[in-house]
Amino acid sequence: QITLKESGPTLMKPTQTLTLTCTFSGFSLNTNGVGVGWIRQPPGKALEWLALVFWDDDNRYSPSLESRLTVTKDTSKNQVVLIMTNMDPVDTATYYCAHAFRYCSGGTCQVRVFDHWGQGTVVTVS
Amino acid sequence: EIVMTQSPATLSVSPGERATLSCRASQSISSKLAWYQQKPGQAPRLLVYGASTRATGIPGRFSGSGSGTEFTLTITSLQSEDFAVYYCQQYYNWPPAITFGQGTRLEIK
Repeated sequence: QITLKESGPTLMKPTQTLTLTCTFSGFSLNTNGVGVGWIRQPPGKALEWLALVFWDDDNRYSPSLESRLTVTKDTSKNQVVLIMTNMDPVDTATYYCAHAFRYCSGGTCQVRVFDHWGQGTVVTVS
Repeated sequence: EIVMTQSPATLSVSPGERATLSCRASQSISSKLAWYQQKPGQAPRLLVYGASTRATGIPGRFSGSGSGTEFTLTITSLQSEDFAVYYCQQYYNWPPAITFGQGTRLEIK
């Protein structure tokens, strides 16, 4: 059974650096074809993808936020950490981490679909 | 960046009827599209990936179709638990990246 849970501060001040931890179970980030992503959702708004870390240490970031984001993984602790610098009130949102699985179709494989999500953690910047 | 546009923004349908939700990509994304359902206060739930493959445990009344730039999520015989917000997500080449649509709210008529 795959589970994920986000943890971190709930209230931040502008310009501070956010550090969120995703602690997961039921899978390993050492396993070929696995990824963990971060997605956020401002109140009443749509989902926004932030970052994705893969089993092979490849990290991908949203182009619009790449300069502010860092994702690291600790496979021994089953954790993924998201760091976002220079927080602003517009970054107020629920932040989710999610498991990405691999599927193959038409000769290519993808690891960019999120089949298990954490409950989310609310971060307010004020 | 590939922009995903969902329509309508809000859809009112009676229980037991069919709902058809649309998602359009600003450029071709082949079949690299997923659909998610989100209920208030909950995390999104994966429904469909690869444009038409139902995720594990998803009822057969949910079906996805389309390729290229036009995609549809159809829900037949709507149940009370199906009223929620639905998002499409594209995951075509890197870059541009993963992007979500703005969502369609499915409400009870």
